[in-house]
Amino acid sequence: GEDVEQSLFLSVREGDSSVINCTYTDSSSTYLYWYKQEPGAGLQLLTYIFSNMDMKQDQRLTVLLNKKDKHLSLRIADTQTGDSAIYFCAESIEGSQGNLIFGKGTKLSVKP
Amino acid sequence: EAGVAQSPRYKIIEKRQSVAFWCNPISGHATLYWYQQILGQGPKLLIQFQNNGVVDDSQLPKDRFSAERLKGVDSTLKIQPAKLEDSAVYLCASSLIAGGPLREQFFGPGTRLTVL
Repeated sequence: GEDVEQSLFLSVREGDSSVINCTYTDSSSTYLYWYKQEPGAGLQLLTYIFSNMDMKQDQRLTVLLNKKDKHLSLRIADTQTGDSAIYFCAESIEGSQGNLIFGKGTKLSVKP
Repeated sequence: EAGVAQSPRYKIIEKRQSVAFWCNPISGHATLYWYQQILGQGPKLLIQFQNNGVVDDSQLPKDRFSAERLKGVDSTLKIQPAKLEDSAVYLCASSLIAGGPLREQFFGPGTRLTVL
C-alpha cells in the first residue's frame, strides 16, 4: 500500500540550513511534492520533482530524490524565522487521477 | 486571482448533530477535492470531483458523509450525524483539468470542526 513517512520535528537556528526528509513506499510515484502549512492556513505548494529527476533547485530550496531508496529530501538554505511551519511530503501515483498521499508533516521551528 | 474559498472557518457541534461545509474553487478549475486533516496528521482525500462527477470517493465514509457539486463549481460536504472522531480540519482544493500529469492543487484555508 501507499505510505509516506516523515520525522515529526526539526529545530534549527536562523541562518542555518534545514533538511527535511521523507520516505515513500510506492515505486509508481509520478510526482513528489513539498507543501508548506502555516498556522491557520491551507497548504501551499513549495516545489515538486518529477520521478525521473534526481535534483531540483529553486532559489533557497533544493529537492533531492533517491528513487532506489524511495527517499526525498528538502533543503532550505539560510533558514529564516518566516520558514517556521509544517512541511508535508506528498506523492501522486500513476493512474490515480492526481490524488495525493501525504505524510504526517514535519514541524520546522526556526530559532532567532 | 482569487483563491479557494471555504466557509465557515470554524464550527463547533455536538455529536449526532449535522454540519455542512461549503467550498468555492478557483474560477475555471474543473477538479475539486475534499480532504480531512486530523490533528497531527497529513490530509487524507475524502472525495474528488471532475466537473460535477465523482472521480474517487473510495475513502468517504458514506454512511455519514455526503458531498455534491451540482453545477460543477461550488461544492458542499455534509456530515450527518457527526461523531467525536470527525473533529478535524476539512480542506478543499482545486486544480485545472488540463496541464499534463502535474495537477497542482490549490488549497483553501479549511474549516476547523470540533465535535463535542
